[in-house]
Amino acid sequence: NAGVTQTPKFQVLKTGQSMTLQCAQDMNHEYMSWYRQDPGMGLRLIHYSVGAGITDQGEVPNGYNVSRSTTEDFPLRLLSAAPSQTSVYFCASSRTLAGEKLFFGSGTQLSVL
Amino acid sequence: DAKTTQPNSMESNEEEPVHLPCNHSTISGTDYIHWYRQLPSQGPEYVIHGLTSNVNNRMASLAIAEDRKSSTLILHRATLRDAAVYYCILRDGGGGADGLTFGKGTHLIIQP
Repeated sequence: NAGVTQTPKFQVLKTGQSMTLQCAQDMNHEYMSWYRQDPGMGLRLIHYSVGAGITDQGEVPNGYNVSRSTTEDFPLRLLSAAPSQTSVYFCASSRTLAGEKLFFGSGTQLSVL
Repeated sequence: DAKTTQPNSMESNEEEPVHLPCNHSTISGTDYIHWYRQLPSQGPEYVIHGLTSNVNNRMASLAIAEDRKSSTLILHRATLRDAAVYYCILRDGGGGADGLTFGKGTHLIIQP
């Protein structure tokens, strides 16, 4: 199994550009989430989803949009990139909310100039 | 607000046991205690989790206090490859839809 796949691995944007970070999982997990990690910091939750058609905000949702049209995919959209969004982004998924372990992708390193 | 509290960093010697503490005084009866670790330049990986009883797996052991307000991750014989940031988090087993909150974790340094 591929697990959780994130693309791209690296991306450089100019301020104001838009882009979508892709996340896909092949484990039929209901729960998916996006985190950002700034240098020397822990992970901060951006958005999460408990199933297709259901999304909710985490700690730092401003500047990001998500949708969940299928169980497998959970893309993260930056509508107008800002330098403050320079970070490493991780996608995670799990089977259910109840005591199941999270599987993480390998991350996307994003730089906004 | 962080639901768990961990020391910022800990240091240990190679081939010795390591005990990483975590306080979660506001834990609810249905919260599972999860531990993850993040090696340099990698995504977090699952280590172990438990609800009430102590747990063992090939990577580590998890000791949970009787009142569940604290727990300890035990690496029985640390190696240099165990140097990482270790995160203790709570996961709602009661069907709540809240997202998971990670703090800054404990940076474990292993001395050769």
